[in-house]
Amino acid sequence: AQKITQTQPGMFVQEKEAVTLDCTYDTSDQSYGLFWYKQPSSGEMIFLIYQGSYDEQNATEGRYSLNFQKARKSANLVISASQLGDSAMYFCAMREGQNGANNLFFGTGTRLTVIP
Amino acid sequence: ETGVTQSPTHLIKTRGQQVTLRCSSQSGHNTVSWYQQALGQGPQFIFQYYREEENGRGNFPPRFSGLQFPNYSSELNVNALELDDSALYLCASSSTRVNTEAFFGQGTRLTVV
Repeated sequence: AQKITQTQPGMFVQEKEAVTLDCTYDTSDQSYGLFWYKQPSSGEMIFLIYQGSYDEQNATEGRYSLNFQKARKSANLVISASQLGDSAMYFCAMREGQNGANNLFFGTGTRLTVIP
Repeated sequence: ETGVTQSPTHLIKTRGQQVTLRCSSQSGHNTVSWYQQALGQGPQFIFQYYREEENGRGNFPPRFSGLQFPNYSSELNVNALELDDSALYLCASSSTRVNTEAFFGQGTRLTVV
């Protein structure tokens, strides 16, 4: 089974509007972390936001917020007030456990296009 | 800017050759992970180094190997290159003390012809 599932290959949003990018995850660990990254065409993976499995509050970073629903195993990214520069690929990723290898499992990504 | 730098940014190699990619980690980070991102895919974990030893490996053959140096910088070596090795190779820097961070470099785009 896929550890991270992103079901939206592409999304369009009007400039200044909000958009939600979906992410569901699969793990049997109690302790895990969820990450969102933005990847522009240049290739660099830009860290946006982190949510720990024990965090009770949804994470927020500026215009980015993470809608964490633990029982549903979803960690959707909400981008408010979209800007043209937000056009990029967006990846959801998960890190399992606290010890040992802390590698990230990535989804297949969602390409977001912001329309002027 | 994350402070994670990779070199070179682009590389073209011939099938069967060997390649070395380099990564310097962010200050204060003691763990380096390498990922392969094929076109149109999400990154796939290759391996991770902590305290100069391999500390976890994904589903990649032994011709993918690495090193970590005392200053936490790292190398990824790929022997006997195959056409399917063409990809963006990303290095991620993180810390075992702060598990909420994982910062990536800009990547090395490898083309095997």
